[in-house]
Amino acid sequence: GENVEQHPSTLSVQEGDSAVIKCTYSDSASNYFPWYKQELGKRPQLIIDIRSNVGEKKDQRIAVTLNKTAKHFSLHITETQPEDSAVYFCAAGAISGTYKYIFGTGTRLKVLA
Amino acid sequence: DTGVSQDPRHKITKRGQNVTFRCDPISEHNRLYWYRQTLGQGPEFLTYFQNEAQLEKSRLLSDRFSAERPKGSFSTLEIQRTEQGDSAMYLCASSFLPGPFTQHFGDGTRLSIL
Repeated sequence: GENVEQHPSTLSVQEGDSAVIKCTYSDSASNYFPWYKQELGKRPQLIIDIRSNVGEKKDQRIAVTLNKTAKHFSLHITETQPEDSAVYFCAAGAISGTYKYIFGTGTRLKVLA
Repeated sequence: DTGVSQDPRHKITKRGQNVTFRCDPISEHNRLYWYRQTLGQGPEFLTYFQNEAQLEKSRLLSDRFSAERPKGSFSTLEIQRTEQGDSAMYLCASSFLPGPFTQHFGDGTRLSIL
């Protein structure tokens, strides 16, 4: 069935270092990949997304890469700051049909000052 | 605030009681989704509406769960005869079709079953 695997489940980095979170999806029909940041007790908020016709997208310190052949996509955060500490979720969706998202299990990122 | 709003934020109830949650999507959004999130997990899809039509329900949505969106605006999710396993955060999201595929989430309703 549809599945998104996300690694690692926890990640601690020193402030200023880079963080990388990786996801793998199973449904070949997936063609839209958003990343959400969720702080404790708050709503998931979109931080970046990518469509399958693009291999990489960057927005300031955040970038996402997609390897559609391997069904892998990754989130890269550079120059991490303490306010980047949160849980990050990847998701896979299809731009047709239900448009529902299949989420990964999340990565708790801790940026140590 | 013109984002997705959910009410109540927290609900504590005894096992066996019925509960109802409300979601008000972003006003121009015609698609509305319900997800369930348990501790340490990502949100899991429950059901979605396009306007007032409920177009898909997950296998997670047992017969005790029912959702409505009567006028294509706000939506309600009702759980009858609640069980311990229903304890979770229930998230609502909305999006616009056609257009950006981004789903905007509400703050959720945290349900605790005693």
